[in-house]
Amino acid sequence: QVQLQQSGPGLVKPSQTLSLTCAISGDSVSRNGAAWNWVRLSPSRGLEWLGRTYYRSKWNKDYAVSVRGRITINPDTSKNQVSLQLSSVTPEDTALYYCARGMVVAGFDYWGQGTLVTVSS
Amino acid sequence: DIVMTQSPDSLAVSLGERATIKCRSSQSLTTSNNKNLLGWYQQKPGQPPKLLISWASTRESGVPDRFSGSGSGTDFTLTISSLQAEDVAVYYCQQDYTTPITFGPGTKVDIK
Repeated sequence: QVQLQQSGPGLVKPSQTLSLTCAISGDSVSRNGAAWNWVRLSPSRGLEWLGRTYYRSKWNKDYAVSVRGRITINPDTSKNQVSLQLSSVTPEDTALYYCARGMVVAGFDYWGQGTLVTVSS
Repeated sequence: DIVMTQSPDSLAVSLGERATIKCRSSQSLTTSNNKNLLGWYQQKPGQPPKLLISWASTRESGVPDRFSGSGSGTDFTLTISSLQAEDVAVYYCQQDYTTPITFGPGTKVDIK
């Protein structure tokens, strides 16, 4: 059974960097056919895909234009986890953040429990 | 970006009655091998989204058969054939035909 366990702070100050981790059990971060996504939910934007990383002979990353330049998603094969960093946050980045496994163009079948991140001084 | 729209924004249906949700994409989600790269999700308060249907019409393991998906190209439908109390939730469609992956705005389903 695949499980995704998220961790990270729930409060981040404006202009600082939001950092979350998604620990994977029951699967491998480097498995071909899987992609590891970050998605957020907010009242103003609904469900918003932020980006993903996946291994297909080499590591690949795709990011949403809305956060490009501020976002980094990194796999950690030694810990079997994936991380999200979002820099220069503003109150508009306040949201419920999720990691999710995506199989090859077949939807996101496993999700983390979600982390509510509030950007406030 | 592919824009996903849903209708209605919300609906209230009597227990045991049918609920129908529409999803439209701004461009076709059908691949050259005739796969429709559209998924449907259910989200209840305090829970992450749950994948109900992938490839527009393939029900995920364990999803009750009262949930069904149909459609192709740019127009898709999620049908709950006989609404149960536990189906109260927000439902989202999602395309993963291309990045950025995009979601519809959601449809809230309630009991009348």
